[in-house]
Amino acid sequence: TQLLEQSPQFLSIQEGENLTVYCNSSSVFSSLQWYRQEPGEGPVLLVTVVTGGEVKKLKRLTFQFGDARKDSSLHITAAQPGDTGLYLCAGAQGAGGTSYGKLTFGQGTILTVHP
Amino acid sequence: DAEITQSPRHKITETGRQVTLACHQTWNHNNMFWYRQDLGHGLRLIHYSYGVQDTNKGEVSDGYSVSRSNTEDLPLTLESAASSQTSVYFCANGSNQPQHFGDGTRLSIL
Repeated sequence: TQLLEQSPQFLSIQEGENLTVYCNSSSVFSSLQWYRQEPGEGPVLLVTVVTGGEVKKLKRLTFQFGDARKDSSLHITAAQPGDTGLYLCAGAQGAGGTSYGKLTFGQGTILTVHP
Repeated sequence: DAEITQSPRHKITETGRQVTLACHQTWNHNNMFWYRQDLGHGLRLIHYSYGVQDTNKGEVSDGYSVSRSNTEDLPLTLESAASSQTSVYFCANGSNQPQHFGDGTRLSIL
């Protein structure tokens, strides 16, 4: 069974602070997805990374895929209350269509940003 | 705007009953997925479909079935509900990996 360890599990910070969430595994993934989920709603896809060492930016969010494709990080600069939510990473193994949907999800990081 | 909708949003039923959860998409994506989300287990894949008439078992498929008669719908059926199936269920779709999720069905089995 592949495991995807997310840390920290909980993060409570003040508006304007920076933070990093980590997603680590001993397994190699062909792609890694990051989602954000709010209470009572489904996850929303933020980004997909597929290449080792890849860095993607989405406004104040920076996503990085490790060189060996075993780990990933999400960095938020100048966090805002609207960033509050559950952040999930999910890794896919295998190439092409047969891997679709067969994601290993991390346990999630609950982020609270206080005004 | 395209949507993916689940119904009902909440359901309470008794053990042994058959239950069907609906999932309808207007994205026209071929790939549709059902997950359950539980504390301590995260999201786990139940069944998935890559197109009409295609269905496949996921990681936790025992006690569940799906059918795909058209592009828009992937209903999930619990054949004989068990208390262990109390959970929040999410349907998702995508052109490859899950891109859009519904808002979930909270199912309680007493």
